Amino acid sequence: ETGVTQTPRHLVMGMTNKKSLKCEQHLGHNAMYWYKQSAKKPLELMFVYNFKEQTENNSVPSRFSPECPNSSHLFLHLHTLQPEDSALYLCASSRPGLAGSDEQYFGPGTRLTVT
Amino acid sequence: SQQGEEDPQALSIQEGENATMNCSYKTSINNLQWYRQNSGRGLVHLILIRSNEREKHSGRLRVTLDTSKKSSSLLITASRAADTASYFCATAASGGSYIPTFGRGTSLIVHP
Repeated sequence: ETGVTQTPRHLVMGMTNKKSLKCEQHLGHNAMYWYKQSAKKPLELMFVYNFKEQTENNSVPSRFSPECPNSSHLFLHLHTLQPEDSALYLCASSRPGLAGSDEQYFGPGTRLTVT
Repeated sequence: SQQGEEDPQALSIQEGENATMNCSYKTSINNLQWYRQNSGRGLVHLILIRSNEREKHSGRLRVTLDTSKKSSSLLITASRAADTASYFCATAASGGSYIPTFGRGTSLIVHP
């Protein structure tokens, strides 16, 4: 257990559905991240929040919408996804200060399948 | 791109042997980290080495950093079947946003 939890662990959704992924950390970290991991590809950074403010949006399509209501919770809202969006979505957090300057703590991921 | 590249892509060894994985990167870094990922799970942080450090140890893990060659290596000594996983290096560029960039990883299989 890393102290970062993600729900659901598995999600199957149709292209017209709307769903949300949730991430929660109880480590006192102020930086939170969403990553996408597809087979045979490097880990892709999607969004970064530092002290609840979005500091990075790595050219992510608008069908992915992040929300960070407080430093402990991070959501990824999904709508009208495409089959190529099927992947493992990982949430991570890191300690206060410069986002990413120290080790990241990852959740177990949500395995998303878009049909 | 600052992205680190791990080498080899895949490594298969017998239990008890040592495993060495390498990471190369392109530009100056603030630090380099190694992570481990079991199949379908999240990444677990192993070691962080800063640009002014040359070597770090943690249990059976030894990490070296050669900034002149822009490379790092991760050595796992006396490997165990439980070490089977993918290993990633992540580099944080100096003077940049400090957000680490991950490579594609090395897939390690340790046969019992």
